[in-house]
Amino acid sequence: EAGVAQSPRYKIIEKRQSVAFWCNPISGHATLYWYQQILGQGPKLLIQFQNNGVVDDSQLPKDRFSAERLKGVDSTLKIQPAKLEDSAVYLCASSRVTGSSGNTIYFGEGSWLTVV
Amino acid sequence: AQSVAQPEDQVNVAEGNPLTVKCTYSVSGNPYLFWYVQYPNRGLQFLLKYITGDNLVKGSYGFEAEFNKSQTSFHLKKPSALVSDSALYFCAVRGDTGRRALTFGSGTRLQVQP
Repeated sequence: EAGVAQSPRYKIIEKRQSVAFWCNPISGHATLYWYQQILGQGPKLLIQFQNNGVVDDSQLPKDRFSAERLKGVDSTLKIQPAKLEDSAVYLCASSRVTGSSGNTIYFGEGSWLTVV
Repeated sequence: AQSVAQPEDQVNVAEGNPLTVKCTYSVSGNPYLFWYVQYPNRGLQFLLKYITGDNLVKGSYGFEAEFNKSQTSFHLKKPSALVSDSALYFCAVRGDTGRRALTFGSGTRLQVQP
């Protein structure tokens, strides 16, 4: 079974520029998550989708971050304009339906962003 | 609100010795607890989880974890550490009501010396 795919793996941009990250979840997984992991910290949830609907985006900085999952499969996370403090690893993850809290969440390799 | 505390930033252990990485949690309702490992420049890799039932959970690579409801803890253990176990370990929790996404601790770096 293929895992969660993410691209690009690494990106360096200047502040105020924009960047987009792409994620393809494990086949059949209805729930998709984007987490932000700042160096030295644990991952923090940015947004959670079930199919193509948003379940939780309470911690997404909506003035600069946006995410979509138009067809209920792939997802894109965009940052515009980027700030220095956005330098982090952006982790995409997926799981089966949200209804069962026991479902395992599987993570991709992450997209490493450096803002200079 | 749900939260996880990993009180040790780093744990050092000699190869062949037992290891313990500590985790305590706070959550509404029944807890669902997870351990993940992260190797350098890699994503999070699932190790094991507690849903219900036996308090001792066995997972990948010889790791196990003990759920203690009265102490709200879920410590990760391994009887005999390997140098290759050196990595960053994260404990995470989710409840069965309200927010269903995982909340992570700050991580514990495990260093196994040869």
